[in-house]
Amino acid sequence: QQQVKQSPQSLIVQKGGISIINCAYENTAFDYFPWYQQFPGKGPALLIAIRPDVSEKKEGRFTISFNKSAKQFSLHIMDSQPGDSATYFCAARIRGGADGLTFGKGTHLIIQP
Amino acid sequence: DAGVIQSPRHEVTEMGQEVTLRCKPISGHNSLFWYRQTMMRGLELLIYFNNNVPIDDSGMPEDRFSAKMPNASFSTLKIQPSEPRDSAVYFCASIRGGADTQYFGPGTRLTVL
Repeated sequence: QQQVKQSPQSLIVQKGGISIINCAYENTAFDYFPWYQQFPGKGPALLIAIRPDVSEKKEGRFTISFNKSAKQFSLHIMDSQPGDSATYFCAARIRGGADGLTFGKGTHLIIQP
Repeated sequence: DAGVIQSPRHEVTEMGQEVTLRCKPISGHNSLFWYRQTMMRGLELLIYFNNNVPIDDSGMPEDRFSAKMPNASFSTLKIQPSEPRDSAVYFCASIRGGADTQYFGPGTRLTVL
């Protein structure tokens, strides 16, 4: 059972545009929702994260929007740049701290110059 | 800080051989995670340790897989005997107690012929 569903699988955006990646979850015990960025040949690195007590979190050009009732959250990348081209994973962790992350399948993002 | 260190970075072996992957977590981190990444299944949690104790190994695919953490600065993931379907990138991640962010290593790309 896939507990975190991510879409789209791939996305092409023009430089300066907005990139939007969506995730949906099923388990209401999840209480921490990070987004990871992965470049080829590298390990995933935390980009931004949110907890369900807020509906939005912004860090620079990156924003997470969170809809608790719909059990959905999304990543928005404003003014997308070629350096943002990477694979993005949403993830979720069960309440209680030091548990492993459940990841979405990933979105391969390409920003065209 | 050196970050999470994994070795080897690449491993090519033949079916039936034993494979040992190694991980050194970030100093001071007390939880360690092993993940596997494939195109078909994405990033999957295999096992994690808290204070060197295995907490949840439900993600370990078969008895051919085993993991140990003999001390706070070293963990191994062993596959014996290896099979071609074990080919994947294996990541180790660590986290400090009470924190949210998991830090990933660069991964070991395993190819079983």
